Amino acid sequence: EAEVAQSPRYKITEKSQAVAFWCDPISGHATLYWYRQILGQGPELLVQFQDESVVDDSQLPKDRFSAERLKGVDSTLKIQPAELGDSAMYLCASSLDRGFVSPLHFGNGTRLTVT
Amino acid sequence: DAKTTQPPSMDCAEGRAANLPCNHSTISGNEYVYWYRQIHSQGPQYIIHGLKNNETNEMASLIITEDRKSSTLILPHATLRDTAVYYCIVRVPLFYNQGGKLIFGQGTELSVKP
Repeated sequence: EAEVAQSPRYKITEKSQAVAFWCDPISGHATLYWYRQILGQGPELLVQFQDESVVDDSQLPKDRFSAERLKGVDSTLKIQPAELGDSAMYLCASSLDRGFVSPLHFGNGTRLTVT
Repeated sequence: DAKTTQPPSMDCAEGRAANLPCNHSTISGNEYVYWYRQIHSQGPQYIIHGLKNNETNEMASLIITEDRKSSTLILPHATLRDTAVYYCIVRVPLFYNQGGKLIFGQGTELSVKP
Protein backbone atom coordinates (compact mmCIF):
# COMPACT_ATOMS: atom_id res chain seq x y z
CA GLU A 1 0.00 0.00 0.00
CA ALA A 2 1.32 3.47 -0.91
CA GLU A 3 2.52 5.60 1.98
CA VAL A 4 3.17 9.24 2.81
CA ALA A 5 6.93 9.69 3.11
CA GLN A 6 8.47 12.14 5.57
CA SER A 7 12.05 13.03 6.32
CA PRO A 8 13.98 13.30 8.47
CA ARG A 9 12.49 10.92 11.03
CA TYR A 10 14.23 12.75 13.89
CA LYS A 11 15.76 16.21 14.11
CA ILE A 12 17.62 17.88 16.96
CA THR A 13 18.39 21.56 16.60
CA GLU A 14 19.41 24.47 18.77
CA LYS A 15 17.03 27.34 19.37
CA SER A 16 17.33 30.20 16.90
CA GLN A 17 18.45 27.80 14.15
CA ALA A 18 16.48 27.07 10.99
CA VAL A 19 14.96 23.65 10.40
CA ALA A 20 13.04 22.12 7.49
CA PHE A 21 10.86 19.06 7.05
CA TRP A 22 9.96 17.34 3.81
CA CYS A 23 6.84 15.42 2.82
CA ASP A 24 6.06 13.34 -0.27
CA PRO A 25 2.34 12.50 -0.39
CA ILE A 26 0.75 9.46 -1.98
CA SER A 27 0.87 9.80 -5.77
CA GLY A 28 -2.13 11.61 -7.19
CA HIS A 29 -3.33 13.01 -3.88
CA ALA A 30 -4.51 16.56 -4.38
CA THR A 31 -4.77 17.69 -0.78
CA LEU A 32 -1.85 17.88 1.62
CA TYR A 33 -1.88 18.77 5.31
CA TRP A 34 0.78 19.59 7.90
CA TYR A 35 -0.04 18.90 11.54
CA ARG A 36 1.87 19.46 14.77
CA GLN A 37 1.44 17.12 17.73
CA ILE A 38 2.71 18.02 21.17
CA LEU A 39 3.31 15.07 23.46
CA GLY A 40 0.10 13.92 25.11
CA GLN A 41 -2.20 15.91 22.81
CA GLY A 42 -4.01 15.28 19.53
CA PRO A 43 -2.56 16.59 16.26
CA GLU A 44 -3.25 20.24 15.44
CA LEU A 45 -3.58 21.46 11.86
CA LEU A 46 -0.96 23.97 10.73
CA VAL A 47 -1.62 24.30 7.00
CA GLN A 48 -3.77 22.73 4.27
CA PHE A 49 -2.92 22.74 0.54
CA GLN A 50 -5.18 21.99 -2.39
CA ASP A 51 -2.75 21.20 -5.22
CA GLU A 52 -0.21 24.07 -4.94
CA SER A 53 -2.54 26.56 -3.24
CA VAL A 54 -2.89 27.20 0.47
CA VAL A 55 -6.53 26.85 1.51
CA ASP A 56 -6.11 27.13 5.29
CA ASP A 57 -3.11 28.46 7.21
CA SER A 58 -5.03 30.15 10.00
CA GLN A 59 -3.15 28.20 12.71
CA LEU A 60 0.32 28.58 11.17
CA PRO A 61 2.59 30.94 13.19
CA LYS A 62 3.59 32.94 10.14
CA ASP A 63 6.27 34.98 11.88
CA ARG A 64 8.48 31.88 12.01
CA PHE A 65 6.80 29.09 10.05
CA SER A 66 6.46 28.79 6.29
CA ALA A 67 5.16 26.04 4.04
CA GLU A 68 5.24 25.51 0.32
CA ARG A 69 4.08 22.99 -2.25
CA LEU A 70 5.46 24.52 -5.41
CA LYS A 71 4.49 21.93 -8.03
CA GLY A 72 1.50 20.56 -6.17
CA VAL A 73 3.33 17.36 -5.26
CA ASP A 74 5.84 17.30 -2.40
CA SER A 75 5.95 19.91 0.33
CA THR A 76 8.38 21.55 2.74
CA LEU A 77 7.64 23.03 6.16
CA LYS A 78 10.26 25.42 7.55
CA ILE A 79 10.78 26.97 10.96
CA GLN A 80 13.11 29.94 11.35
CA PRO A 81 14.13 30.61 14.05
CA ALA A 82 13.25 27.53 16.08
CA GLU A 83 12.09 28.03 19.67
CA LEU A 84 12.04 25.59 22.59
CA GLY A 85 8.23 25.40 22.36
CA ASP A 86 8.45 24.05 18.81
CA SER A 87 9.58 20.66 20.11
CA ALA A 88 6.89 18.31 18.81
CA MET A 89 6.02 15.70 16.19
CA TYR A 90 5.34 17.20 12.76
CA LEU A 91 2.98 15.08 10.71
CA CYS A 92 2.13 15.25 7.04
CA ALA A 93 -1.05 13.80 5.56
CA SER A 94 -2.59 13.59 2.11
CA SER A 95 -5.96 12.73 0.64
CA LEU A 96 -7.28 12.09 -2.85
CA ASP A 97 -10.41 14.24 -2.58
CA ARG A 98 -11.18 14.62 -6.26
CA GLY A 99 -14.90 15.28 -6.02
CA PHE A 100 -15.63 12.58 -3.49
CA VAL A 101 -15.00 11.87 0.16
CA SER A 102 -11.71 10.13 0.91
CA PRO A 103 -9.73 9.69 4.11
CA LEU A 104 -6.48 11.39 5.10
CA HIS A 105 -3.40 9.16 5.12
CA PHE A 106 -0.62 10.16 7.51
CA GLY A 107 3.12 9.71 7.43
CA ASN A 108 5.05 8.67 10.53
CA GLY A 109 6.19 12.22 11.18
CA THR A 110 9.35 14.08 12.07
CA ARG A 111 10.17 14.28 15.76
CA LEU A 112 11.74 17.70 16.43
CA THR A 113 13.69 18.47 19.58
CA VAL A 114 14.82 22.06 20.12
CA THR A 115 17.58 22.49 22.71
CA ASP B 1 -12.34 22.92 18.61
CA ALA B 2 -13.09 19.21 18.47
CA LYS B 3 -16.80 18.47 18.15
CA THR B 4 -16.70 15.03 19.75
CA THR B 5 -16.58 13.66 23.29
CA GLN B 6 -14.83 10.40 24.13
CA PRO B 7 -13.89 8.66 27.39
CA PRO B 8 -10.21 9.27 28.15
CA SER B 9 -9.38 5.61 28.65
CA MET B 10 -10.78 2.09 28.35
CA ASP B 11 -9.57 -1.45 28.99
CA CYS B 12 -10.42 -4.54 27.00
CA ALA B 13 -9.49 -8.20 27.40
CA GLU B 14 -7.59 -9.79 24.53
CA GLY B 15 -9.91 -11.70 22.20
CA ARG B 16 -13.01 -9.80 23.33
CA ALA B 17 -14.82 -7.10 21.38
CA ALA B 18 -13.76 -3.52 22.11
CA ASN B 19 -16.61 -1.02 21.92
CA LEU B 20 -15.45 2.59 21.83
CA PRO B 21 -18.18 5.23 22.23
CA CYS B 22 -18.24 8.75 20.82
CA ASN B 23 -20.71 11.59 21.27
CA HIS B 24 -21.14 14.17 18.51
CA SER B 25 -24.42 15.80 19.43
CA THR B 26 -23.82 18.93 17.30
CA ILE B 27 -22.99 17.08 14.10
CA SER B 28 -24.24 18.72 10.91
CA GLY B 29 -25.97 16.96 8.05
CA ASN B 30 -22.91 17.18 5.80
CA GLU B 31 -20.37 15.96 8.36
CA TYR B 32 -18.93 12.48 8.27
CA VAL B 33 -17.79 10.49 11.31
CA TYR B 34 -14.18 9.30 11.03
CA TRP B 35 -12.15 7.03 13.29
CA TYR B 36 -8.36 7.00 13.46
CA ARG B 37 -5.95 5.35 15.85
CA GLN B 38 -2.41 6.23 16.82
CA ILE B 39 0.14 3.82 18.15
CA HIS B 40 2.99 5.41 20.07
CA SER B 41 5.53 7.20 17.86
CA GLN B 42 3.59 6.57 14.65
CA GLY B 43 1.26 8.73 12.58
CA PRO B 44 -2.51 8.34 12.93
CA GLN B 45 -3.91 5.36 11.03
CA TYR B 46 -7.26 5.56 9.25
CA ILE B 47 -9.78 2.95 10.44
CA ILE B 48 -13.22 3.69 9.04
CA HIS B 49 -15.71 6.46 8.25
CA GLY B 50 -19.46 6.83 7.71
CA LEU B 51 -22.25 9.32 7.17
CA LYS B 52 -25.55 7.70 8.18
CA ASN B 53 -25.36 3.97 7.67
CA ASN B 54 -23.39 1.44 9.65
CA GLU B 55 -20.11 0.52 8.02
CA THR B 56 -17.79 -2.47 8.24
CA ASN B 57 -14.35 -3.16 6.85
CA GLU B 58 -11.52 -5.57 7.60
CA MET B 59 -10.45 -3.61 10.66
CA ALA B 60 -13.65 -2.60 12.42
CA SER B 61 -17.36 -1.81 12.38
CA LEU B 62 -18.90 1.64 12.82
CA ILE B 63 -22.37 1.92 14.31
CA ILE B 64 -24.03 5.36 13.98
CA THR B 65 -27.27 6.07 15.84
CA GLU B 66 -30.31 7.03 13.82
CA ASP B 67 -30.17 10.64 15.04
CA ARG B 68 -26.40 10.66 14.26
CA LYS B 69 -25.61 12.18 17.66
CA SER B 70 -23.37 9.32 18.71
CA SER B 71 -21.45 6.39 17.29
CA THR B 72 -19.55 3.31 18.41
CA LEU B 73 -16.41 1.81 16.94
CA ILE B 74 -16.27 -1.96 17.35
CA LEU B 75 -13.05 -3.97 17.15
CA PRO B 76 -14.53 -7.48 17.04
CA HIS B 77 -11.60 -9.47 18.46
CA ALA B 78 -9.12 -7.14 20.13
CA THR B 79 -5.45 -8.09 20.16
CA LEU B 80 -2.52 -6.61 22.07
CA ARG B 81 -1.55 -4.74 18.88
CA ASP B 82 -4.82 -2.80 19.06
CA THR B 83 -3.52 -0.93 22.12
CA ALA B 84 -3.51 2.70 20.93
CA VAL B 85 -5.21 6.09 21.21
CA TYR B 86 -8.44 6.09 19.21
CA TYR B 87 -9.77 9.35 17.80
CA CYS B 88 -13.38 9.99 16.77
CA ILE B 89 -13.63 13.00 14.44
CA VAL B 90 -16.43 14.70 12.54
CA ARG B 91 -15.26 16.02 9.20
CA VAL B 92 -16.78 18.33 6.63
CA PRO B 93 -16.04 17.12 3.08
CA LEU B 94 -13.44 19.09 1.15
CA PHE B 95 -15.89 20.50 -1.34
CA TYR B 96 -17.58 22.50 1.44
CA ASN B 97 -16.22 25.79 2.78
CA GLN B 98 -13.52 25.16 5.40
CA GLY B 99 -13.82 21.48 4.64
CA GLY B 100 -11.35 18.65 4.34
CA LYS B 101 -9.31 18.92 7.52
CA LEU B 102 -9.54 16.67 10.57
CA ILE B 103 -9.82 18.36 13.97
CA PHE B 104 -8.50 16.02 16.62
CA GLY B 105 -9.59 15.89 20.25
CA GLN B 106 -7.89 13.97 23.05
CA GLY B 107 -9.15 10.55 22.00
CA THR B 108 -9.61 7.35 24.01
CA GLU B 109 -6.56 5.43 25.17
CA LEU B 110 -7.46 1.77 24.71
CA SER B 111 -5.43 -0.81 26.61
CA VAL B 112 -5.86 -4.41 25.50
CA LYS B 113 -4.80 -6.75 28.30
CA PRO B 114 -3.87 -10.45 28.11
